[in-house]
Amino acid sequence: AQSVTQPDARVTVSEGASLQLRCKYSYFGTPYLFWYVQYPRQGLQLLLKYYPGDPVVQGVNGFEAEFSKSNSSFHLRKASVHWSDWAVYFCAVRSGSFNKLTFGAGTRLAVCP
Amino acid sequence: DTTVKQNPRYKLARVGKPVNLICSQTMNHDTMYWYQKKPNQAPKLLLFYYDKILNREADTFEKFQSSRPNNSFCSLYIGSAGLEYSAMYLCASSRGTANERLFFGHGTKLSVL
Repeated sequence: AQSVTQPDARVTVSEGASLQLRCKYSYFGTPYLFWYVQYPRQGLQLLLKYYPGDPVVQGVNGFEAEFSKSNSSFHLRKASVHWSDWAVYFCAVRSGSFNKLTFGAGTRLAVCP
Repeated sequence: DTTVKQNPRYKLARVGKPVNLICSQTMNHDTMYWYQKKPNQAPKLLLFYYDKILNREADTFEKFQSSRPNNSFCSLYIGSAGLEYSAMYLCASSRGTANERLFFGHGTKLSVL
């Protein structure tokens, strides 16, 4: 069965520093992968999505993610973190049809001034 | 309007009593989902409606019921709440059936006492 692991429950970075949030997936076949973000007091929002093709995908607010089949990974990156990036980030893989998503437990990002 | 609305934001229930949670969307999406989210755990898909057809996940089949009286509304029903039902319940909707983004509501936090 498919699964998603986000090994870091919490990550703290300084504002302006670079960021990488890790995501490992388990899926038989070609995965469709997503990153969702939940800002304080808001619902989950799509940050970016990967469909088979270019392994590096661009998202909103300067985020990008790189798919690696050999490593079964889909890590999220940002070159320079802003305080407004303080949020919980969820990695997900589509499981079956109907946009059913299997999520990871999330990584809580804190940004220090 | 690209919002999914959930009512109420907070719900207190007694053990053994029924609980009904409400979700609505005005985007004319044909699919609506219910996820359960517990602290430090991944959001877990409980069930979803595609048009008028209800699909329940195998491991939660008997625990949750749902109805969708029209395209805009969807409810989640717990017949007899137990302590283990305490969680955040997330409603989402999407257009189509493949690789479309999900739009999430803020969630309803259910506390069972």
